[in-house]
Amino acid sequence: AQSVAQPEDQVNVAEGNPLTVKCTYSVSGNPYLFWYVQYPNRGLQFLLKYITGDNLVKGSYGFEAEFNKSQTSFHLKKPSALVSDSALYFCALMYNNNDMRFGAGTRLTVKP
Amino acid sequence: GAVVSQHPSWVICKSGTSVKIECRSLDFQATTMFWYRQFPKQSLMLMATSNEGSKATYEQGVEKDKFLINHASLTLSTLTVTSAHPEDSSFYICSRLAGGTYNEQFFGPGTRLTVL
Repeated sequence: AQSVAQPEDQVNVAEGNPLTVKCTYSVSGNPYLFWYVQYPNRGLQFLLKYITGDNLVKGSYGFEAEFNKSQTSFHLKKPSALVSDSALYFCALMYNNNDMRFGAGTRLTVKP
Repeated sequence: GAVVSQHPSWVICKSGTSVKIECRSLDFQATTMFWYRQFPKQSLMLMATSNEGSKATYEQGVEKDKFLINHASLTLSTLTVTSAHPEDSSFYICSRLAGGTYNEQFFGPGTRLTVL
């Protein structure tokens, strides 16, 4: 069965510190993984994706994610957090070409 | 800029009435669009896949007679919540594919429905 898990409901970091938002997945076949961000009362914005190739993927707003096949993980990272990064982050797994399954979401709070 | 729009952004209605939500692809002819539902502090749940010119494909457990989807043109999909009840109150979000295969979806800004 295809699934994606975000083990942390909430992540708190201080501004300027590195941040990590965790995601693990389970899929039969090749994983196609995505990260989205959602601001209050807004739709989702695409950050980055892993389809194939380099395990380190760079995306929007200075975010990057590392695909780790042996650990079945796709953690989102940023070297230096900003207060404006505070939002809800979703990891997503694509299967059957276009169907997408979302993780439960992780609320990131960056404190000044 | 936005590539998917939704209208209205919020709506309040009385129990028993029907509400129509529009989703427009602004820059791309989308043969397929998606409708999601999001409860407070929860993830997105796919309700249905909207197919231009044919019937929508509903996810298991979603009542097709209650959530009517029409995809009459390549740029417009509509979701009508019929005979709305308070438990239908939610945040409804539509999306379209970026194009090609294994590509991201572009999401609309969402519509918050409150049923009194």
